[in-house]
Amino acid sequence: NAGVTQTPKFQVLKTGQSMTLQCAQDMNHEYMSWYRQDPGMGLRLIHYSVGAGITDQGEVPNGYNVSRSTTEDFPLRLLSAAPSQTSVYFCASYRNSGNTIYFGEGSWLTVV
Amino acid sequence: AQTVTQSQPEMSVQEAETVTLSCTYDTSESDYYLFWYKQPPSRQMILVIRQEAYKQQNATENRFSVNFQKAAKSFSLKISDSQLGDAAMYFCAYRSARGNFNKFYFGSGTKLNVKP
Repeated sequence: NAGVTQTPKFQVLKTGQSMTLQCAQDMNHEYMSWYRQDPGMGLRLIHYSVGAGITDQGEVPNGYNVSRSTTEDFPLRLLSAAPSQTSVYFCASYRNSGNTIYFGEGSWLTVV
Repeated sequence: AQTVTQSQPEMSVQEAETVTLSCTYDTSESDYYLFWYKQPPSRQMILVIRQEAYKQQNATENRFSVNFQKAAKSFSLKISDSQLGDAAMYFCAYRSARGNFNKFYFGSGTKLNVKP
């Protein structure tokens, strides 16, 4: 049971570099989301998707892009990394009709 | 948008004692779900307990129970017989039960320390 898989687990970037955080789920969930977690601010929604080909912005979308070409995959792209994007990132998936959200193990990103 | 508020950034409890974590939420909807998630130092999010708003009976899972007050929009988590393994961040979350684009909304979290 793989569930939600995120890679990489740790990454250090220089300011201005770009990178992609990968997320895959094997539960055939329609919904997938990306959150960032910062001290004292809980989990903030970056982008989400309600199905292949459909994405939308969350609370803090600036500086990030997403796409959903398949049901399984939902990569998060940082276009030009900034120190303010230093955070822990979580990918999550759930069913449209379900009431439980499944999280990946998190990706620690540091931008120097 | 719905908001979820956890007013206790950090709490401490003695091992074997009982502790209650608070959560309030703001919504105009009548049909929704509420959750408590645990995040240990490993950072993996673990579902502790969930409550359907249409159910009057409070949910219980072993040592974990909730006090759901729908009119007051309050959803507190009670941990009985606290164990060292309960030390973690706890997040309260809300999700609407209606509509097509139902996002999860999370509170800012409460860090629970368990003293031996």
